[in-house]
Amino acid sequence: AQSVSQHNHHVILSEAASLELGCNYSYGGTVNLFWYVQYPGQHLQLLLKYFSGDPLVKGIKGFEAEFIKSKFSFNLRKPSVQWIGTAEYFCAVNVRGSSNTGKLIFGQGTTLQVKP
Amino acid sequence: DVKVTQSSRYLVKRTGEKVFLECVQDMDHENMFWYRQDPGLGLRLIYFSYDVKMKEKGDIPEGYSVSREKKERFSLILESASTNQTSMYLCASSSTRRLLTGNTIYFGEGSWLTVV
Repeated sequence: AQSVSQHNHHVILSEAASLELGCNYSYGGTVNLFWYVQYPGQHLQLLLKYFSGDPLVKGIKGFEAEFIKSKFSFNLRKPSVQWIGTAEYFCAVNVRGSSNTGKLIFGQGTTLQVKP
Repeated sequence: DVKVTQSSRYLVKRTGEKVFLECVQDMDHENMFWYRQDPGLGLRLIYFSYDVKMKEKGDIPEGYSVSREKKERFSLILESASTNQTSMYLCASSSTRRLLTGNTIYFGEGSWLTVV
């Protein structure tokens, strides 16, 4: 069965530090990849997505992610984080071409706490 | 702009009660989903529907049922609520027509259900 693994469950950074959140998936076929963010009390917001082409994708709010097919990874990065309190980040994978296309499989989530 | 609306943000129900969670989307999407979100577990798919009156079980369907009588509306039903169903429930929708060019899932704001 397909699965998504996020290595860090809770990350604490100081403002202006660089961020990298790991995401690995288990599936050998073609995938679509997503990163979502959820602020307390708010709905999930799409940060970026990868479908094809350049494996380095840029999203909103200065986030980017790199798809490394050989490593089954899609790590999220940001050069400098702002103080936002706490938010939860989810990596998700959609197996393209299966009968369940559109069904997203989520990782467990990473809570990011940024200190001023 | 896609809008996915969940009728109730916060509910408190008693063990054994029948609970209905309603979700409506306004973008004529074919696919609709119900997830539950629990700390440390990410989002887990309960049921999804790819057409009116069509449904498929997700990863954790036990204790739940769904109804899709109209394209825009997807209901999640807890026939007899139990305390282990206390959770945040998220509805989502997506378009099959945009499958090849990028099939993004749009989420509602979530419904917090507490079963006492």
